Amino acid sequence: EDKVVQSPLSLVVHEGDTVTLNCSYEVTNFRSLLWYKQEKKAPTFLFMLTSSGIEKKSGRLSSILDKKELFSILNITATQTGDSAVYLCAYMYSGGGADGLTFGKGTHLIIQP
Amino acid sequence: DAGVIQSPRHEVTEMGQEVTLRCKPISGHNSLFWYRQTMMRGLELLIYFNNNVPIDDSGMPEDRFSAKMPNASFSTLKIQPSEPRDSAVYFCASSLEGLAGTVQYFGAGTRLSVL
Repeated sequence: EDKVVQSPLSLVVHEGDTVTLNCSYEVTNFRSLLWYKQEKKAPTFLFMLTSSGIEKKSGRLSSILDKKELFSILNITATQTGDSAVYLCAYMYSGGGADGLTFGKGTHLIIQP
Repeated sequence: DAGVIQSPRHEVTEMGQEVTLRCKPISGHNSLFWYRQTMMRGLELLIYFNNNVPIDDSGMPEDRFSAKMPNASFSTLKIQPSEPRDSAVYFCASSLEGLAGTVQYFGAGTRLSVL
C-alpha cells in the first residue's frame, strides 16, 4: 500500500533555530512531491518537487527531493513564531487523466519565542 | 480571484440527518477534489473529478457519501444519513489538469459536527 511517513510528528524549538522536517514515501505512479503549510485553516502550498537533487527555495524555507532514496526534506532557517504550523508532505500520483494526492500525517512545528 | 469557495464554514447536525457541503472551484480549473481531515487519519482524498466527471471515488467511505459536479463551477458532497464518526473538516480543492505536476489549491474547509 502506498504511504507517506513524516517525522518527527511534532517539534518544539526556539525562535532563530533551524529545523529539518522529513518525509519518506513508498508509492507507485509517482509524479511529484508537495509540501504544504497548514495553520488554522486550509493547507497552503509551499513547494512542488519533481526532480531529484534540485533544491527549491523560498525565503527561509527550502526543500529537496531524493527519488532514489524516496525521501524529501523541508528546511526552515532562522525560525520565527509565524512558522508555527503543521507541515504536510504529499505525493502526487497519476491516474485517469487527473492527479490525486496522498498526504502524510504532518509534522506539528511549534516555535517558542 | 476569490480562490476555492466552500460553504457552509461550519455545520452542526444530529445523527441521521442529511448534510450537503458545497464547493465552487477556481474559475478555469477543471479538476476538483474532496478531502476529509481528522486527527486520527489526517487528510484523506475522498473523490476527484476531471471535467465534471468522477475519476476516482475509491476514497469515499461508504454508500452514505455521494458527490456530484453538475457543472464546472459547482460541486456538492452529500452525507445521508450522517453519523457521529463523519465529524471532520471537509476540504475542497481544485487544480488545472494536464500540466506536469499540477498544484491543488484548497478552500477554507467545512467543519462538520454530527451529534
